[in-house]
Amino acid sequence: DAMVIQNPRYQVTQFGKPVTLSCSQTLNHNVMYWYQQKSSQAPKLLFHYYDKDFNNEADTPDNFQSRRPNTSFCFLDIRSPGLGDTAMYLCATSRDGRGGTGDTQYFGPGTRLTVL
Amino acid sequence: AQSVTQPDIHITVSEGASLELRCNYSYGATPYLFWYVQSPGQGLQLLLKYFSGDTLVQGIKGFEAEFKRSQSSFNLRKPSVHWSDAAEYFCAVGPYSGGYQKVTFGTGTKLQVIP
Repeated sequence: DAMVIQNPRYQVTQFGKPVTLSCSQTLNHNVMYWYQQKSSQAPKLLFHYYDKDFNNEADTPDNFQSRRPNTSFCFLDIRSPGLGDTAMYLCATSRDGRGGTGDTQYFGPGTRLTVL
Repeated sequence: AQSVTQPDIHITVSEGASLELRCNYSYGATPYLFWYVQSPGQGLQLLLKYFSGDTLVQGIKGFEAEFKRSQSSFNLRKPSVHWSDAAEYFCAVGPYSGGYQKVTFGTGTKLQVIP
């Protein structure tokens, strides 16, 4: 089945130690998104890629970066994680993020990151 | 700016009872509207979506939602709740056309189902 896959599902890291989260998709969608979801809160968009074009949200900390080496893969890099970065990180894809009729975001299962 | 309000943080219903989860949105034009469900420790699964046309939308797992433009609402309903429906439900709004589709989520409603 076509899907969005995230690895690892659980990640524990130390304060200040860089960490990379991975997302892959078999949907062949143009757009890939990264969201941060803290406990009991709504998902918050960090950034997205439309194909190779990177779009950062204005309030996303510089500590968060992303790479998309090809259509299928997208990575979230946290350069120096702080305690406040403990959260669920969700990857999503959509066929065309430019508001085409019927566009929908499909989510992966998430990576739960704990910063100690 | 677009926004979504889910006024009920937590709802408890008995198994077999009917359910209605409220969602109000603010958006300057015709919106895309979505309901997602999230089980503990899992990602978001799309239940249903509204883009245009019939204002009563059918989704998966027996859920439906009704778009009411005059009330800026998109409430989610289910006639008979099952224990497996216990989860958190998120309403979301996005632009209908043009530009980058940025979806804004509500803060969620946690559903508890009791026997």
